[in-house]
Parts: sequence; structure tokens; C-alpha cells
Amino acid sequence: DGGITQSPKYLFRKEGQNVTLSCEQNLNHDAMYWYRQDPGQGLRLIYYSQIVNDFQKGDIAEGYSVSREKKESFPLTVTSAQKNPTAFYLCASSIGQGRGELFFGEGSRLTVL
Amino acid sequence: DAKTTQPPSMDCAEGRAANLPCNHSTISGNEYVYWYRQIHSQGPQYIIHGLKNNETNEMASLIITEDRKSSTLILPHATLRDTAVYYCIVRVRTGTASKLTFGTGTRLQVTL
Repeated sequence: DGGITQSPKYLFRKEGQNVTLSCEQNLNHDAMYWYRQDPGQGLRLIYYSQIVNDFQKGDIAEGYSVSREKKESFPLTVTSAQKNPTAFYLCASSIGQGRGELFFGEGSRLTVL
Repeated sequence: DAKTTQPPSMDCAEGRAANLPCNHSTISGNEYVYWYRQIHSQGPQYIIHGLKNNETNEMASLIITEDRKSSTLILPHATLRDTAVYYCIVRVRTGTASKLTFGTGTRLQVTL
């Protein structure tokens, strides 16, 4: 079945450590996105990528980094510079930037101790 | 960027129609209205989208006013499984890029 796979589902890290969240899709979608969600809040866009080897900052990119070396993969690194990293992280993809609906993964819940 | 306004919460009895309103008074001519829903601790799920005309699919109907300043998502026969947060989103275009900005949505509680 086609879809988006995020891993790990739950992750615990000590303060000051970088952590990388994985996002893989087999939908042959060009565009991929990372969102952050805090309790009781909506989704805020961190980064998005229209095509391989290209990505753009979203609304809250500070303290995060991404890469898009392959069409299927869009990993997100939460760096030690992110002041409040504990959150629910959601990856999504769409056929193309500006076209089609977004398909979301099941999310990764990061807790920094 | 066009923004949306939704009531924070609504209740609906099971089997009745759930009508979820959304205001988007600053929407521009080439912006679409999208609806998603998010069941607790899961990724959002696409429901429906439209530009001007009313739309219907197997999940819901979308009614957009003639001036496009507001819309209503209709779940014709709500079930307990429809309990979720519903997001109304206007698609923003910036040059060739486009991104969806999510607000806080409407928390729909379907009750027996």
C-alpha cells in the first residue's frame, strides 16, 4: 500500500542532543512537508520541499534542518538550537507544490528530558 | 495571506448532520478552500476542497458562499468516529510555491 511512514513513533532525548526524524513516502509525490504540533494547537509549517535537492523554510524553521537527497525521503533534524523541541511532528506529501491534497504520516512524538 | 476563522468547538448528535462553518473573508480569487480532520494523536486526513462551486464526495459536502467569504463543511450523518478536530484551510500561493497553513480548527464532538 502506498503511504507515508514516519519513524520513530515515540522518541526521548536528553537536552542538547540533536535528533533526526525519518519520513519516507512511496506515493511518487514531488512535494514534502514537515509540521510541528503542540498540545491543543494547530499545525505550524517548519520546512517544505518542492523537488529533490530543494527546500524552503516555513514559518518556524529556526533550530531545525532538513535534506532532500531522494524523492522518497525528507528527514528532519531537530538541533540543540531549538529551544522547545518537545512536540508532535508530522510529515506530509503532495503530488506537487500547490496541487492536490496533502497526505500525512502518523507522526513522531519527541520528548526532550 | 487569507486566514480562516472557525468556532473552537461544536457538538452533534449521532445520525444528525454536522455543519461546520468557516470564515475566510480575505480569500483571493485563485485560492482554494481545503478541509482536513485530525483524530486524536493521528496525522490529519484530507476531506474535500473547492474553489467556487459546491463539492460532494463520499465523506462530506462543501458549500461555498457566492462571495467566497465563507464555507460550510457538512457531514450528512455524523457517527462517533467523526469526533475529531476539523481544519478549514485556504491555500496560499507565493510565486510558484504554495503551502497550507493550519489554524486551531473546530473540535467536533459527536454524542449518542
